Amino acid sequence: DTAVSQTPKYLVTQMGNDKSIKCEQNLGHDTMYWYKQDSKKFLKIMFSYNNKELIINETVPNRFSPKSPDKAHLNLHINSLELGDSAVYFCASSQDVSLGYGYTFGSGTRLTVV
Amino acid sequence: GESVGLHLPTLSVQEGDNSIINCAYSNSASDYFIWYKQESGKGPQFIIDIRSNMDKRQGQRVTVLLNKTVKHLSLQIAATQPGDSAVYFCAEGLGGGADGLTFGKGTHLIIQP
Repeated sequence: DTAVSQTPKYLVTQMGNDKSIKCEQNLGHDTMYWYKQDSKKFLKIMFSYNNKELIINETVPNRFSPKSPDKAHLNLHINSLELGDSAVYFCASSQDVSLGYGYTFGSGTRLTVV
Repeated sequence: GESVGLHLPTLSVQEGDNSIINCAYSNSASDYFIWYKQESGKGPQFIIDIRSNMDKRQGQRVTVLLNKTVKHLSLQIAATQPGDSAVYFCAEGLGGGADGLTFGKGTHLIIQP
């Protein structure tokens, strides 16, 4: 059983296209996130949702729109893809850090824009 | 293959030796710290965490030390094994979790046979 699963694992697409990445967690966590990891391995938070409500929206272009149909799912839709969007995108979830086990990450989606 | 590891600080240790990976964090208000291990092609994997009311915490073969005075975090890995080769990230957080984590730059640990 994969705790945080995201699909697809690899995504190659042309500039200008619209694409979505899906994420599901079966941990019963209340909070889900999207992180972006660039070519230098730097990980940065993009969005945070708590019980389907947007909590954090870091400085991310409007072309990126998260959607949370329920607290177990947080999908990422990207419009008008650009070359600079190429990166690995990680979904994560957490219950509450006070419970001790912190965040659980998915295995990532490698997006390549050509 | 990727060359991104060349952009990261690298620590090379002999198999069987102890490894110490250091991290400076940025926010003096952070109250929760985590070390993650990321192997090639995988997501970050939780190793150990520590709260700001502690200065040391031990797990299996790993120890995390927290020095709040100088905002410094370290991860010690005892008897390093080939499977420990990975990129290690420290992360800091604040509050109940919904604020997300701020990650450090990462250190590439290489194990020499």
